[in-house]
Amino acid sequence: GDSVTQMEGPVTLSEEAFLTINCTYTATGYPSLFWYVQYPGEGLQLLLKATKADDKGSNKGFEATYRKETTSFHLEKGSVQVSDSAVYFCALGRAGGTSYGKLTFGQGTILTVHP
Amino acid sequence: DAGITQSPRYKITETGRQVTLMCHQTWSHSYMFWYRQDLGHGLRLIYYSAAADITDKGEVPDGYVVSRSKTENFPLTLESATRSQTSVYFCASSEGGGEGNEQFFGPGTRLTVL
Repeated sequence: GDSVTQMEGPVTLSEEAFLTINCTYTATGYPSLFWYVQYPGEGLQLLLKATKADDKGSNKGFEATYRKETTSFHLEKGSVQVSDSAVYFCALGRAGGTSYGKLTFGQGTILTVHP
Repeated sequence: DAGITQSPRYKITETGRQVTLMCHQTWSHSYMFWYRQDLGHGLRLIYYSAAADITDKGEVPDGYVVSRSKTENFPLTLESATRSQTSVYFCASSEGGGEGNEQFFGPGTRLTVL
């Protein structure tokens, strides 16, 4: 079955540092890939997505590229801010049959950014 | 309020009691989902629904029941709560059932089973 593995956390960075959160997946076919973000006390919200190989998703300075050859979708940001402190989830979306776009999530990575 | 809401936001109950968590969305999205969030596991799918009266099991459905009599509501019932069901529960909805469709999440319900 489908699975998503994220790098172990938590990750602690200073403001303006470079961020990478690794995500790899196991799946057959061509799923879509997502990064969701959860701010303290809130539900998840979509950060970015990519629907096919070599697509790059980007939003709010974050980027991730769908790499089918390495089955990866690593999240990067060049200069993090304190306001980026949150939990980040990599997810895989599956359709077809009765899958209805259900998501398989990684375990989440806690990011803390200090001033 | 527009969007997706969950109630209650916090609930404490005892082992063996029945508990219902409510989820309501105002977008008329066809697809709705229930996830539970536990440390080390991320979010795991409990049940999902493609339309009123169409539901299906996810990864961890045991001990849970759902119904979908109206498009906008998708309640989740714990028939006889157990301590292992202590978790944060998230409801989500999406407009389409394609794999690229964004899911919109509610604020969550924190459930504690004593």
